[in-house]
Amino acid sequence: DVKVTQSSRYLVKRTGEKVFLECVQDMDHENMFWYRQDPGLGLRLIYFSYDVKMKEKGDIPEGYSVSREKKERFSLILESASTNQTSMYLCASNSGINQPQHFGDGTRLSIL
Amino acid sequence: RKEVEQDPGPFNVPEGATVAFNCTYSNSASQSFFWYRQDCRKEPKLLMSVYSSGNEDGRFTAQLNRASQYISLLIRDSKLSDSATYLCVVNRSGGYNKLIFGAGTRLAVHP
Repeated sequence: DVKVTQSSRYLVKRTGEKVFLECVQDMDHENMFWYRQDPGLGLRLIYFSYDVKMKEKGDIPEGYSVSREKKERFSLILESASTNQTSMYLCASNSGINQPQHFGDGTRLSIL
Repeated sequence: RKEVEQDPGPFNVPEGATVAFNCTYSNSASQSFFWYRQDCRKEPKLLMSVYSSGNEDGRFTAQLNRASQYISLLIRDSKLSDSATYLCVVNRSGGYNKLIFGAGTRLAVHP
């Protein structure tokens, strides 16, 4: 079974802080993704990575950056957190194009 | 217009009922289609892929109509445990490995 692990289930940070969300997968998947989910909007892709040190912008990359130094780990960084980044953040991975994605438990992030 | 549109519901049905969800997508070049299930405050989990010829998995049947660009999910003999939000997911052809998620349809099955 694919296991995608996110470092925190709940996180509370202050405006202006630098925030790191970590994600690890154990299935040697090439592709990893970061989404945010907000009521009524569905999941929206922030960034994804198809290889170590490779990254591509998703639909809403503004205010975020990512890091993929190792194949199993994909980090999402909020450079200077703002209240509109309060959301549920979901990490996912898959093994190839058009393959279903497997999600972590999610991190509910609140920015005060 | 959203790339993937679903009726948000909620659909309130009694146990044993048959319920169907529809989903429309705007990109005619899309090639991969999925239904995911998401329980309250949990992550989405793959329910089933949707194939061109239609496919069935136990009480669940998925259909794809490329000409009309819609996907359906039929649940027969609903169980209380089927209560969840069902997400329609379509790949964005031309974009590398990008999936587009609908906002979801909420199902509540009651005794």
